Amino acid sequence: QKEVEQDPGPLSVPEGAIVSLNCTYSNSAFQYFMWYRQYSRKGPELLMYTYSSGNKEDGRFTAQVDKSSKYISLFIRDSQPSDSATYLCAMSSWTGGFKTIFGAGTRLFVKA
Amino acid sequence: GAVVSQHPSWVICKSGTSVKIECRSLDFQATTMFWYRQFPKQSLMLMATSNEGSKATYEQGVEKDKFLINHASLTLSTLTVTSAHPEDSSFYICSARDSGTANTEAFFGQGTRLTVV
Repeated sequence: QKEVEQDPGPLSVPEGAIVSLNCTYSNSAFQYFMWYRQYSRKGPELLMYTYSSGNKEDGRFTAQVDKSSKYISLFIRDSQPSDSATYLCAMSSWTGGFKTIFGAGTRLFVKA
Repeated sequence: GAVVSQHPSWVICKSGTSVKIECRSLDFQATTMFWYRQFPKQSLMLMATSNEGSKATYEQGVEKDKFLINHASLTLSTLTVTSAHPEDSSFYICSARDSGTANTEAFFGQGTRLTVV
């Protein structure tokens, strides 16, 4: 079992839809949770960073962390064609030395 | 957010030659930087952790003599692909954490597309 599971998609939605992206994980030591957006042939760009359980909102993006279920989500409201990219979840822990694990990434296509 | 600059953004080299890729943190100090490799439509594969002033820590299966890492200052890490072969062609990405904070989020460079012919 991978430490982080993320559906690679692709996920195709119409413009204006609400997008839900998810990751599950197995290591309860993870404390920090990130979402990155990566356009083709570019480095990943940090979108959201959260610590422990709860919600965090930034514009059209909302990140949710449920540590009891080992499940994190990223919601995109009013999706735009410019949101078309690969979204990677990542999580970090300090236990046994600092470690960050990335999900496989979900490819999102928003159709105009 | 913090800025990480990676150079060059793309490079083509002949088989058997060496290529150096630079990763710089522009507005923060980074005692630790990370080097990843990414194949098309796949996620990031951590190659090694670069530690300022000490030896890099390589992931299992990564040849340390082929992928030389030097982290000589708090803002610069370099990855040298030695005796490159076509199978080394890939997208290489670095990331860095701000050593001055307790936050763990990493900021990525733009990536370097290496093509070995």
